[in-house]
Amino acid sequence: QKEVEQNSGPLSVPEGAIASLNCTYSDRGSQSFFWYRQYSGKSPELIMSIYSNGDKEDGRFTAQLNKASQYVSLLIRDSQPSDSATYLCAVIEGIQTGANNLFFGTGTRLTVIP
Amino acid sequence: ETGVTQTPRHLVMGMTNKKSLKCEQHLGHNAMYWYKQSAKKPLELMFVYNFKEQTENNSVPSRFSPECPNSSHLFLHLHTLQPEDSALYLCASSSRLAREKYNEQFFGPGTRLTVL
Repeated sequence: QKEVEQNSGPLSVPEGAIASLNCTYSDRGSQSFFWYRQYSGKSPELIMSIYSNGDKEDGRFTAQLNKASQYVSLLIRDSQPSDSATYLCAVIEGIQTGANNLFFGTGTRLTVIP
Repeated sequence: ETGVTQTPRHLVMGMTNKKSLKCEQHLGHNAMYWYKQSAKKPLELMFVYNFKEQTENNSVPSRFSPECPNSSHLFLHLHTLQPEDSALYLCASSSRLAREKYNEQFFGPGTRLTVL
C-alpha cells in the first residue's frame, strides 16, 4: 500500500514569515514528487516538481527532497495571505512498474495571518 | 479554451438518474485521468487512459463508466449512484510516455456532484 503522509494542520504563520510544509512517503522506489496548491472550492494547481535530492527554488517557493529519509518539503518565503490554501504532496511510485500514477497525501491547510 | 475544461461544474442528481461528466484537454497531452475528491480523504485515482486505452481501473464500482473517444476528450457516465458518491470529480491530463517519470498532471476545475 503506497502512502503519502502530511500533517493536516491547520498551519498558521504570520504574513512575511516562512511556511514549512512536510511530506513523507512509504515507497522507497518513488522517483517524482510534486506539490499542488488547492484553494477552497477549486481544483489542485501544480506549483512545484522535484526529481533529484536537494533543493529546487522557484520564486518564493523551495522544494526540498531527501530520498534517503523519504521526505519532501515545501518552503514558502515571505508568506502572503494569498498563499492561504491546502497544499497537497503527490508522489509517483517507482517507474519500474510502468504505472507512473500519482499518489496524494491528504494535504496541509495553511493560513497566513495578515 | 485553454488547459483542461470540465462540464458541468455542478450537478445534482437522484439515485435513479443517468448523467455524464465531460472533460476536454487543450494541452496536446496523451493521458487523461478521473479522480474523486471527498472531504478529509486523499485524492482517489479512478481511471487512467493512455492514448485512448484504459490502463487503470482502480476498483471503481460499475455504476461509474468511463469513455475516452480520443486523446482530448474523456467522459464519466454515471448511473444509479449512491449518496456516498457525492464528491468533487476531477479530470486531469499529462504527457505520459512509457517509463517517463516526468508525469506532471494538470487538473480541470472539477464537477461538484451531489447525489440525493
